[in-house]
Amino acid sequence: QVQLQESGPGLVKPSETLSLTCGVSGLYISSGYYWGWIRQTPGKGLEWIASIDHTGSSYYSPSLKSRVTISVDTSKNQFSLNLRSVTAADTAVYYCAKNTITVGHWYFDLWGRGTLVTVSS
Amino acid sequence: SSELTQPPSVSVSPGQTARITCFGDALPNQYGYWYQQKPGQAPVMVIYKDSQRPSGIPERFSGSSSGTTVTLTISGVQAEDEADYYCQSADSSATYAVFGGGTKLTVL
Repeated sequence: QVQLQESGPGLVKPSETLSLTCGVSGLYISSGYYWGWIRQTPGKGLEWIASIDHTGSSYYSPSLKSRVTISVDTSKNQFSLNLRSVTAADTAVYYCAKNTITVGHWYFDLWGRGTLVTVSS
Repeated sequence: SSELTQPPSVSVSPGQTARITCFGDALPNQYGYWYQQKPGQAPVMVIYKDSQRPSGIPERFSGSSSGTTVTLTISGVQAEDEADYYCQSADSSATYAVFGGGTKLTVL
């Protein structure tokens, strides 16, 4: 049974860097999929942030690209998100997800439970 | 534009059919996907590749596509179907993912 679990601080100060990790169990992260981060601000919709595969091939949201870095650690079977210079607008539930990206296909078929990150001093 | 547009809300009585539409310029070139999200839970895919249903998703969920629109249909709506539904696709060049704004389905 494949499971994803987000971890990281629940509180980040403004202007600092938000760092999250997603641990994958039940499936090797090098098994040919992409792995993505999606966030959901309180009471709002879903926003894709970035995706990466085990080789480091990555895609970024155009609106967040300047502040985001996604990375992968195959030895630990996990991938990570860094979001720099955060503001209150970055307060959200952050989800990690198993992501398929091929010609004509881009979808998230398995999600973690999500973790709430609040940006506040 | 690669945005996806959904109605904010849809309301139906139990047993009726709910249809949620999603419009996007890239949909003729990219498949559409649908996710159900209940309060406090992570989204769950209910339709993939415009019209395919993942294992474990009830048969009353179906999807269709026509040009720049994909549609999620829930036949014989049940109270447990009350949730937010999001469509999702990618831009025409498949360089980024995009979600619709979500539709709140209310079962009256």
